[in-house]
Amino acid sequence: NAGVTQTPKFQVLKTGQSMTLQCAQDMNHEYMSWYRQDPGMGLRLIHYSVGAGITDQGEVPNGYNVSRSTTEDFPLRLLSAAPSQTSVYFCASSLPDEKLFFGSGTQLSVL
Amino acid sequence: GENVEQHPSTLSVQEGDSAVIKCTYSDSASNYFPWYKQELGKRPQLIIDIRSNVGEKKDQRIAVTLNKTAKHFSLHITETQPEDSAVYFCAASTGSTLGRLYFGRGTQLTVWP
Repeated sequence: NAGVTQTPKFQVLKTGQSMTLQCAQDMNHEYMSWYRQDPGMGLRLIHYSVGAGITDQGEVPNGYNVSRSTTEDFPLRLLSAAPSQTSVYFCASSLPDEKLFFGSGTQLSVL
Repeated sequence: GENVEQHPSTLSVQEGDSAVIKCTYSDSASNYFPWYKQELGKRPQLIIDIRSNVGEKKDQRIAVTLNKTAKHFSLHITETQPEDSAVYFCAASTGSTLGRLYFGRGTQLTVWP
């Protein structure tokens, strides 16, 4: 099993550009989520999903969209990138009532 | 929503000493409390977790205690080693949706040889 796979590992965007961060898991986990990590702020939940076709907002959802068309994939879309979205992004997955498995992260810089 | 406070933000100890990191949470419905270790440039890794029906859990040099009445939980690392140096995060989960974790801001632990 590859676990949770995130792409790309690094990305630089210009303000206003759009992009999609990819996340895939091969563990048949129902729950998937996106977090952002900023220095001194811990990890903050952006969006999460409890199954295909079901998504909900976390603590900091503004500026991000998600969809969950399959159990395996949970992409995060930035519609119009802003410098405030410069961060490290982690995707995670789990079974119900089980621990989170994190991907290796995407370091995003918005200029 | 849930609010998790973590202290201290930095902690320096001598090798062999113990380290304690404390967290408080606000939502009495929270029932799952994991601790993650994150080394520089790496992903967070679960090191220990505890559920609300248990007061203490140990795994070799690591232990977690939970006081539901006071809404706080702590991580205890004994006989610290330089490889324990990392950022540690506590987290809390409300209800059965464990994919929705609320994290503390982290503690940078440095263990000096």
